[in-house]
Amino acid sequence: GAVVSQHPSRVICKSGTSVKIECRSLDFQATTMFWYRQFPKQSLMLMATSNEGSKATYEQGVEKDKFLINHASLTLSTLTVTSAHPEDSSFYICSATQGASETQYFGPGTRLLVL
Amino acid sequence: AQSVTQLGSHVSVSEGALVLLRCNYSSSVPPYLFWYVQYPNQGLQLLLKYTTGATLVKGINGFEAEFKKSETSFHLTKPSAHMSDAAEYFCAVSDDFGNEKLTFGTGTRLTIIP
Repeated sequence: GAVVSQHPSRVICKSGTSVKIECRSLDFQATTMFWYRQFPKQSLMLMATSNEGSKATYEQGVEKDKFLINHASLTLSTLTVTSAHPEDSSFYICSATQGASETQYFGPGTRLLVL
Repeated sequence: AQSVTQLGSHVSVSEGALVLLRCNYSSSVPPYLFWYVQYPNQGLQLLLKYTTGATLVKGINGFEAEFKKSETSFHLTKPSAHMSDAAEYFCAVSDDFGNEKLTFGTGTRLTIIP
């Protein structure tokens, strides 16, 4: 089956620093990738949708200047949390799909802790 | 706006017993419904999905779910629980004919008692 990886799996950083999370589709080309955030005991919340070669579409309430998304190739998307603060601590999950109406394949998630 | 409610954040069943995980949804348009499973330290995996047609949907690992429009429900069942079924289960809804913009429930952690 299709495999999506994320790196790192866990990251701890100081407040004010930036953190980059990578999402890779290992055995297929992902035309669309999604970024979700999950707080403890809450559901996954879609943050943004990115299509290869174009700007990401952010959900309402998600700061695009704070959560920078780049989808430069068909197998890699990155999420950069800029000037991270403790309230950004969360579980970030990406998913990828080969096209419209196709199944989303999810990565294992990245746990971010901002001190 | 869509929403998903999963009743019971934790469910425990004995090995061999019936598994029933509840999911109710709210949608202003005919929904597309999904169940995902997440094993520890792994990504979400699609169990099954309902788009159109037959309301009883069969998925992997012996799971099935039935779409009941009148009850706005999409409960997940398995006749006989196995130890390997222990995981977190998420119900999700989409109002698109694709899988974009999934709205997830808060998840149900299934524990299997030997």
